[in-house]
Amino acid sequence: DQQVKQNSPSLSVQEGRISILNCDYTNSMFDYFLWYKKYPAEGPTFLISISSIKDKNEDGRFTVFLNKSAKHLSLHIVPSQPGDSAVYFCASSGSARQLTFGSGTQLTVLP
Amino acid sequence: AAGVIQSPRHLIKEKRETATLKCYPIPRHDTVYWYQQGPGQDPQFLISFYEKMQSDKGSIPDRFSAQQFSDYHSELNMSSLELGDSALYFCASSLRGDFSYEQYFGPGTRLTVT
Repeated sequence: DQQVKQNSPSLSVQEGRISILNCDYTNSMFDYFLWYKKYPAEGPTFLISISSIKDKNEDGRFTVFLNKSAKHLSLHIVPSQPGDSAVYFCASSGSARQLTFGSGTQLTVLP
Repeated sequence: AAGVIQSPRHLIKEKRETATLKCYPIPRHDTVYWYQQGPGQDPQFLISFYEKMQSDKGSIPDRFSAQQFSDYHSELNMSSLELGDSALYFCASSLRGDFSYEQYFGPGTRLTVT
């Protein structure tokens, strides 16, 4: 039973447009959510996070939105750049601090 | 800035052999996590250490053991290797004492069991 789900395995976006990556979770004990970016043969790179007490966190071109009642979060990238092309993982954490990952979404930003 | 260091980056072993993976966390980080990512899968939590004590345990086989040393580096020991152990093994570190949830990952060790 997957506790963190990314239902879109892939997403293609034109350069300069908005990329929206979605993530759903089932465990209500999760209280911290993170997005990671991963290139092949490299470790995940931390992008942005949000605590369950907030509904939005912004860092430059990246914004994460959290809808606790729907157990849904999303990552917005504006404007998208070709260098953003990578696999994006959503991860959730609770009091134990270990991360539970989604299956990832391959983002391709087309020039 | 210093990142998490993992060694070796690649390792090829035969079935039933043993392997030791090493992880050097970011300086000042007090917590180390180990994750396993099989082909086409998301990373799965194995085990973590906080201040040199085992903190949490995930889906780590009994054939695997790990520890964190006084200098905070960690080693994952894997015995009686099986073909299914072939995967990317990531180490991540964080500063739990700072109430931080962010984990910073190393580049991973690719283990191939033949």
